[in-house]
Amino acid sequence: QQQVKQSPQSLIVQKGGISIINCAYENTAFDYFPWYQQFPGKGPALLIAIRPDVSEKKEGRFTISFNKSAKQFSLHIMDSQPGDSATYFCAASLYPTGANNLFFGTGTRLTVIP
Amino acid sequence: SQTIHQWPATLVQPVGSPLSLECTVEGTSNPNLYWYRQAAGRGLQLLFYSVGIGQISSEVPQNLSASRPQDRQFILSSKKLLLSDSGFYLCAWTTAPGAYGYTFGSGTRLTVV
Repeated sequence: QQQVKQSPQSLIVQKGGISIINCAYENTAFDYFPWYQQFPGKGPALLIAIRPDVSEKKEGRFTISFNKSAKQFSLHIMDSQPGDSATYFCAASLYPTGANNLFFGTGTRLTVIP
Repeated sequence: SQTIHQWPATLVQPVGSPLSLECTVEGTSNPNLYWYRQAAGRGLQLLFYSVGIGQISSEVPQNLSASRPQDRQFILSSKKLLLSDSGFYLCAWTTAPGAYGYTFGSGTRLTVV
């Protein structure tokens, strides 16, 4: 059973546009929600993360919006650039205990067209 | 600072041959270690994880095995590779998954021919 559901599977955005990737979860015990960015041939790298005590976190052009009641969270990339073209994974974790408690979404392949 | 090393970067192996992929972590003690596989254009599939030396948990029964002979060393092995073992293998570590998430290595691209 997929603990975190991610959509869309792929996304094409024009340069300067807004990219939006959505994730949903069921387990209300999740307490940490990171996003990872993966370029082709590289390992995923932590991009930005949020805890459920805030509804939004912004780092540069990247923003996480979190809706605790709806059990949904999303990544917004403002002013998308061709260099943002990558695969993005959302994840959810049970904090702080357990060794196998980080659950990934299925990934979104973002292509930003110049 | 903490770093994770994974090698080799690419590997082409014939069907039926053995496999050994190595991952080491520097700058931390007693990390949780993970092996993931990523098929082309697909998501991350957790294969094994380890919370300490000699402690291995398997998530998916398959043709692979893992070992942790030292605190910061994690090895992925196979006695006889199958075509279906092809993929991008990623090692990751953390000290507290819910606090910091995972740090991934650069991956090994394995092609079984």
